[in-house]
Amino acid sequence: DTEVTQTPKHLVMGMTNKKSLKCEQHMGHRAMYWYKQKAKKPPELMFVYSYEKLSINESVPSRFSPECPNSSLLNLHLHALQPEDSALYLCASSQSPGQASGYTFGSGTRLTVV
Amino acid sequence: DQQVKQNSPSLSVQEGRISILNCDYTNSMFDYFLWYKKYPAEGPTFLISISSIKDKNEDGRFTVFLNKSAKHLSLHIVPSQPGDSAVYFCAARGAGGTSYGKLTFGQGTILTVHP
Repeated sequence: DTEVTQTPKHLVMGMTNKKSLKCEQHMGHRAMYWYKQKAKKPPELMFVYSYEKLSINESVPSRFSPECPNSSLLNLHLHALQPEDSALYLCASSQSPGQASGYTFGSGTRLTVV
Repeated sequence: DQQVKQNSPSLSVQEGRISILNCDYTNSMFDYFLWYKKYPAEGPTFLISISSIKDKNEDGRFTVFLNKSAKHLSLHIVPSQPGDSAVYFCAARGAGGTSYGKLTFGQGTILTVHP
């Protein structure tokens, strides 16, 4: 298995909802990442988990809460989001943090906040 | 302030010709540079990388050139094929401190290869 699987593929949520994005990989990668990508913009790093511990938080608002239950799973819990949080959320993994040969990305979750 | 820039939003090339995608960076604290390719409705896929101590890396039809003095890198695709049509992102890896391992992406260039 050489994939990063993200669910759901699409999500529409209201500003008072609580939802979660899920990411899973079975490649034995020990680093996992959340990126946010707005239309016509580059992916922007949100969080890095290294060996299941949060190692980088790019000053992300607390309405985004990451969780890494085990080495294969990464969640992003969402609460009280704003319409400007609508974006493509990409999960990625790598053998080790910042591996030069690149990350493996999932297909993303397209989030719309209404 | 964008540290990695791809100044050409799009590039159109004839099949069989060379595609040259460009990327500039402003931060000297990057130690690796990478190129990713992205099709619609898919995540970015790693293509090729180059260490900051090298000036060229080749893999099949793809070659990346790095000019450190100009803080410029380019991706050459020869020959270009219609299946290469995608968005290409340049990325740079932070070398140390709190930026170690962090990838910073450019805005992307849409490559269209015409049959």
